[in-house]
Amino acid sequence: EAQVTQNPRYLITVTGKKLTVTCSQNMNHEYMSWYRQDPGLGLRQIYYSMNVEVTDKGDVPEGYKVSRKEKRNFPLILESPSPNQTSLYFCASSLRQGLYEQYFGPGTRLTVT
Amino acid sequence: EDKVVQSPLSLVVHEGDTVTLNCSYEVTNFRSLLWYKQEKKAPTFLFMLTSSGIEKKSGRLSSILDKKELFSILNITATQTGDSAIYLCAVPGRNSGYALNFGKGTSLLVTP
Repeated sequence: EAQVTQNPRYLITVTGKKLTVTCSQNMNHEYMSWYRQDPGLGLRQIYYSMNVEVTDKGDVPEGYKVSRKEKRNFPLILESPSPNQTSLYFCASSLRQGLYEQYFGPGTRLTVT
Repeated sequence: EDKVVQSPLSLVVHEGDTVTLNCSYEVTNFRSLLWYKQEKKAPTFLFMLTSSGIEKKSGRLSSILDKKELFSILNITATQTGDSAIYLCAVPGRNSGYALNFGKGTSLLVTP
């Protein structure tokens, strides 16, 4: 089944403790992206990647890192999480950059205390 | 600055009603407009409208794009309780990353 998977789905952590949210897609998509969704603010892009080893900042990149060493994986790294990073995170992928629909993973609900 | 505005923010209708959801946008270098449905999980893709495809239909859902007036509508006819969800409109932004600029969504509740 074609899909985008994320792990973990739920995570509660403490301020400053490094964490990684994994994202994987099995559709051979070139383009991958991370969004966060917050009440009243909607979905906002954090980082994106147009292909292996090609990443760039989205609208809200502060406090996050990403890497794209393999085509299928695009992990989101929070080196020192803070409470304002409590949010619902979605990974998305599309065939290529451009006029292609983006498919979303199931989401990761992160709480930083 | 790119902007996507959806209206209404929320809507309650009875099963069988027809609803129209609105999305207006201001974006540099328009390329496409996408509609997603979000239940208690990830957004799922509904339609993509472009300059060469300004009307789409799938079952009871249909959407049109008015490039001149910079808006799109999503119509749902004969609504069912399963249509209850947040409907999101998105337009790729001006950066090269094709970030989707999302509106805040319309929350639709269909009551029996």
